[in-house]
Amino acid sequence: DVKVTQSSRYLVKRTGEKVFLECVQDMDHENMFWYRQDPGLGLRLIYFSYDVKMKEKGDIPEGYSVSREKKERFSLILESASTNQTSMYLCASSLGVYEQFFGPGTRLTVL
Amino acid sequence: DQQVKQNSPSLSVQEGRISILNCDYTNSMFDYFLWYKKYPAEGPTFLISISSIKDKNEDGRFTVFLNKSAKHLSLHIVPSQPGDSAVYFCAASVEKLTFGTGTRLTIIP
Repeated sequence: DVKVTQSSRYLVKRTGEKVFLECVQDMDHENMFWYRQDPGLGLRLIYFSYDVKMKEKGDIPEGYSVSREKKERFSLILESASTNQTSMYLCASSLGVYEQFFGPGTRLTVL
Repeated sequence: DQQVKQNSPSLSVQEGRISILNCDYTNSMFDYFLWYKKYPAEGPTFLISISSIKDKNEDGRFTVFLNKSAKHLSLHIVPSQPGDSAVYFCAASVEKLTFGTGTRLTIIP
């Protein structure tokens, strides 16, 4: 059974803190993605990676960075969290471009 | 610039009737279209897809229609069941997926 796991379901952080969101997939997929989901805005792509140590900016990369040191793990980093980064964060992986498998999401609140 | 739009934020349908969810897009380069379903507190799950060279794809109760001239995509669910209550996202692809804003479908028993 395919699986994408995210390190936390709920996270509360303070403004200015450095935040790490971890994502692990067990499907040996090349491609991994980070999205955020906000009401009325749908899913927006933050960053993606097609290979280890490789990263590409998505549609809204500002304020975020990523790390992919191993094929199965893709980390999203908020260097200095701000209140407008309060959101649901979703990680996904895929073999090709199309069908992506999503993790359960991390609901991040920045106070 | 919202390239993929779902103009209905919500839809309510009686159990057993047909649910029709709509999606419009602006980028004629999109070559593949997908529908995802999302329950609360879970990640989206893939439902059905269609290539731009087709105009219809069917999988059980779910059928996706593509009208390229109108740049319009629709998902038909028939018959609708209570377990279909969820948020539905359409997505379109050219190298990466672009998602719509979602439609919350509620099936009324």
